[in-house]
Amino acid sequence: DAEITQSPRHKITETGRQVTLACHQTWNHNNMFWYRQDLGHGLRLIHYSYGVQDTNKGEVSDGYSVSRSNTEDLPLTLESAASSQTSVYFCASSEAGGRNTEAFFGQGTRLTVV
Amino acid sequence: QKEVEQDPGPLSVPEGAIVSLNCTYSNSAFQYFMWYRQYSRKGPELLMYTYSSGNKEDGRFTAQVDKSSKYISLFIRDSQPSDSATYLCAMQAGGYQKVTFGIGTKLQVIP
Repeated sequence: DAEITQSPRHKITETGRQVTLACHQTWNHNNMFWYRQDLGHGLRLIHYSYGVQDTNKGEVSDGYSVSRSNTEDLPLTLESAASSQTSVYFCASSEAGGRNTEAFFGQGTRLTVV
Repeated sequence: QKEVEQDPGPLSVPEGAIVSLNCTYSNSAFQYFMWYRQYSRKGPELLMYTYSSGNKEDGRFTAQVDKSSKYISLFIRDSQPSDSATYLCAMQAGGYQKVTFGIGTKLQVIP
């Protein structure tokens, strides 16, 4: 069965370190997204990609970067981790066409920055 | 004011009750309306999707959209303990527009 997997599931890192969260999908979806979920804020879009070599900033992109070298993967990098980036991160994918109406989410990565 | 407002709850109901979950929004450009269900420590999963106004039914679930009032609802009939989860509304204006999520309502169905 097709799926979307995130790794690691849990991560503790120190302030200032670079951290990369992995996202891999086997749906062959062109669209991929990274969200963070925090109490009181819901899901907020960090970065998204509509295809290979395409990346776009979301509403909370400062301090994060992504790259899309193939269809299956969209790694999220925190350039210099800050305590404000402690959160649960979700990767999602959907079919091409622009309407993100059926996005499939990964299980999430719980990141703690100490 | 947030684009999408949703009461975080928690909402506790007895098994078998009819549950009503709601969201209001301010962006009149929204055309696509979704409900996601999220179990504890899991990713959200799409439950219902509606385009524009009207109702949509799927088993025990009914989604309603009232664009004139900028108000959407999800009804759950004969609620079950397995329905205990957080329900997020989500909205999108159109093609290649970002999806805006509500903060989610936590529902607990008591056996």
